[in-house]
Amino acid sequence: DAGITQSPRHKVTETGTPVTLRCHQTENHRYMYWYRQDPGHGLRLIHYSYGVKDTDKGEVSDGYSVSRSKTEDFLLTLESATSSQTSVYFCAISELKENYGYTFGSGTRLTVV
Amino acid sequence: SQQGEEDPQALSIQEGENATMNCSYKTSINNLQWYRQNSGRGLVHLILIRSNEREKHSGRLRVTLDTSKKSSSLLITASRAADTASYFCATDDIGANNLFFGTGTRLTVIP
Repeated sequence: DAGITQSPRHKVTETGTPVTLRCHQTENHRYMYWYRQDPGHGLRLIHYSYGVKDTDKGEVSDGYSVSRSKTEDFLLTLESATSSQTSVYFCAISELKENYGYTFGSGTRLTVV
Repeated sequence: SQQGEEDPQALSIQEGENATMNCSYKTSINNLQWYRQNSGRGLVHLILIRSNEREKHSGRLRVTLDTSKKSSSLLITASRAADTASYFCATDDIGANNLFFGTGTRLTVIP
């Protein structure tokens, strides 16, 4: 997707290991979000950021942390991966949500074995 | 949960027919948005309708919003096979800092 990239696209990891997913944008948007998508649950917000070093929790934040040291990068870390964190993770960016929609990355499919 | 709910969960139609999917939500909103997701891809923003608007058009898309019933509908006219995708509504709730997404309608358009 134009202006936003996620890496890696796919990852398999073992239970108990730390994992970091990266979201990079070239749009200079203020807001960045991490969602997870699971069957039957739609998209659920994990964490979001409203500026450099400004982050807040979403509805499913347990077991996840984030960092945003630069406008363009938003990192999601699974501190100790569990099988329940097997999911597809999407990053999104936006300016003012009152006026504009989100732009989503292509997603990271994470499998915890 | 603040999530919206789409109805139906799945819809299968012939090419050329119209497709209608509905979204119900529970809160007061600033706006409601519709997104499309092709298999294995990220979501793509389709249209945004504000709480003071009742209807909006974009190409073959028509969106309505009834804030008294807390519901919205997305109509795709003259469907094409390329419209096959999942469609999600998302609400921008008053006082919230993020969008809340529904669980989606899976649309299949048969050529």
